[in-house]
Amino acid sequence: EVQLVESGGGLVKPGSSLKLSCVASGFTFSGYGMHWIRQAPKRGLEWIALIYYDSTNKYYADSVKGRFTISRDNSKNTLYLEMNSLRSEDTAMYYCAKSLYGSYYYVMDAWGQGASVTVSS
Amino acid sequence: DVQMTQSLSYLAASPGESVSISCKASKSISNYLAWYQQKPGEAYKLLIYSGSTLQSGTPSRFSGSGSGTDFTLTISSLEPEDFGLYYCQQYYEKPLTFGSGTKLEIK
Repeated sequence: EVQLVESGGGLVKPGSSLKLSCVASGFTFSGYGMHWIRQAPKRGLEWIALIYYDSTNKYYADSVKGRFTISRDNSKNTLYLEMNSLRSEDTAMYYCAKSLYGSYYYVMDAWGQGASVTVSS
Repeated sequence: DVQMTQSLSYLAASPGESVSISCKASKSISNYLAWYQQKPGEAYKLLIYSGSTLQSGTPSRFSGSGSGTDFTLTISSLEPEDFGLYYCQQYYEKPLTFGSGTKLEIK
């Protein structure tokens, strides 16, 4: 069974940094692209980043480009999201998600339960 | 960015009924559309991709249709476990974008 477990969320002040982790199990992590998606309170889903299976390609939403960095450690089956210069509008539940097989990089077929990030002074 | 519009934010129906949830893209996205379900306390679940391809494990009462800008998720013969939130997502181009969601409540 595919499992994705996020951690590292919390309450931080504006301008600070935070690093989320997502530990994967139940599939060959090194063979799939991975995403971060977030959902602000009472808002819809916002895709924020994608990393290819081998880290050769990374893509970001404009809202986080230059502030957030997606990375992965295939030896640890772990996906990361390093978030810098956090703003109040980054307050959200952050989900990691696995890409569907093959060329379906942009479809997410498994999601974690999410990690909550609150940015407030 | 491609805007995805789910015009119905809320829908209530009785078990056994058939319901349709619509999703409209701001430009043609061919069939690069996925549907997801979220139930309280559970992870998001992929139901359909490529507009109409059922993900493994998705019950056959779910179907997807449409191409271009207009898409529909249909649930025939609703089961009580089908309540929840439904989102569409386009993957025609980056940034990937989602609809605002349709909450399906079972009467």
